[in-house]
Amino acid sequence: AQTVTQSQPEMSVQEAETVTLSCTYDTSENNYYLFWYKQPPSRQMILVIRQEAYKQQNATENRFSVNFQKAAKSFSLKISDSQLGDTAMYFCAFMNGTGTASKLTFGTGTRLQVTL
Amino acid sequence: DTGVSQNPRHKITKRGQNVTFRCDPISEHNRLYWYRQTLGQGPEFLTYFQNEAQLEKSRLLSDRFSAERPKGSFSTLEIQRTEQGDSAMYLCASSLSPEQPQHFGDGTRLSIL
Repeated sequence: AQTVTQSQPEMSVQEAETVTLSCTYDTSENNYYLFWYKQPPSRQMILVIRQEAYKQQNATENRFSVNFQKAAKSFSLKISDSQLGDTAMYFCAFMNGTGTASKLTFGTGTRLQVTL
Repeated sequence: DTGVSQNPRHKITKRGQNVTFRCDPISEHNRLYWYRQTLGQGPEFLTYFQNEAQLEKSRLLSDRFSAERPKGSFSTLEIQRTEQGDSAMYLCASSLSPEQPQHFGDGTRLSIL
């Protein structure tokens, strides 16, 4: 079974600064996907960024980028030029890429607070 | 694209009662997922459908839980004889294919008195 670990329950960053959220995972699979989801307070979960394990190049989406280290099973999220609207819970998630199963396995989340 | 819709948003019920939640996925998404999220935790997988077929169920889904997707469109999740431990946010998500990202609804928050 796959597991996802987020070791930072809470993080704080000042507006316009850069912050990195950590995520490690454990799997014996070789084909899989990794995701970062954002859940603002009392709002729905939305996809931030996605990484295919077979791609060596790190995914980027505007101010969001990942550092994917497959051998180390590490998948950190970097948020550049932080904005107040980035305040949310951030969940790292794993999805097996083989077979028909495509359920997400989530970590326990990191609560990010962006301050003035 | 109107997004994934879940109803009701909140449900308060007494222990022992039955409750039913509804999820309307994004149209043309043939995959539909149910997750449960308790306070301070990440969502946990419950079950998923491809069209009307329920392809996988988690061990978290006890005999008191049943999910259906009769016409491959909307889905319902029923909990019978609710218990205190059922209090949680129930999230629904849909996707176009296994490789595509899952889009989540706002969830149904269940509170058991």
